[in-house]
Amino acid sequence: DVKVTQSSRYLVKRTGEKVFLECVQDMDHENMFWYRQDPGLGLRLIYFSYDVKMKEKGDIPEGYSVSREKKERFSLILESASTNQTSMYLCASSRDSNSPLHFGNGTRLTVT
Amino acid sequence: ELKVEQNPLFLSMQEGKNYTIYCNYSTTSDRLYWYRQDPGKSLESLFVLLSNGAVKQEGRLMASLDTKARLSTLHITAAVHDLSATYFCAVDMKPSGTYKYIFGTGTRLKVLA
Repeated sequence: DVKVTQSSRYLVKRTGEKVFLECVQDMDHENMFWYRQDPGLGLRLIYFSYDVKMKEKGDIPEGYSVSREKKERFSLILESASTNQTSMYLCASSRDSNSPLHFGNGTRLTVT
Repeated sequence: ELKVEQNPLFLSMQEGKNYTIYCNYSTTSDRLYWYRQDPGKSLESLFVLLSNGAVKQEGRLMASLDTKARLSTLHITAAVHDLSATYFCAVDMKPSGTYKYIFGTGTRLKVLA
């Protein structure tokens, strides 16, 4: 079974802090994704990566950046956290474009 | 703009009843996915539909895909309480370069005993 592990289940950060959300997958998947989930808005794609050191913007990349130095790890970075980035963040991976996403358990981030 | 729309957004139904959730999407795609999310949990994959006319069934749930109409349905037969969850559809789109998965807003299903 594919395992996607997010480093923190809950995080509380202050406005202006730099925040790192880490995600690791153990199935050698090429593609990795970061979504945020907000009530009434579903899942919105922030960034995705289809290879090491490659990244593409999703639908809401503003205020975020990502890093993929190794195939198994995809990090989401909030350069200067703001209260409107309070959300549930979900990391996912997929083997290829015909395969479903495998999700991590999510990180609930609160920015105060 | 790439859009994936689900309806209804909320669904409260009695045990034993049938109902259908609809997923419409705005651009050409041959691949559609259904996921389930339980409260406080992450999403798990239910169905992968990879071609026009594809139909998949698992227990009381059946999903189908009509790529010409850009429509997928998730049909619930004789609902039971355990099916209470939020259901998402997602479309695999390639607007430029690489594929990305765009999700609908979800349908929160509550099955009443």
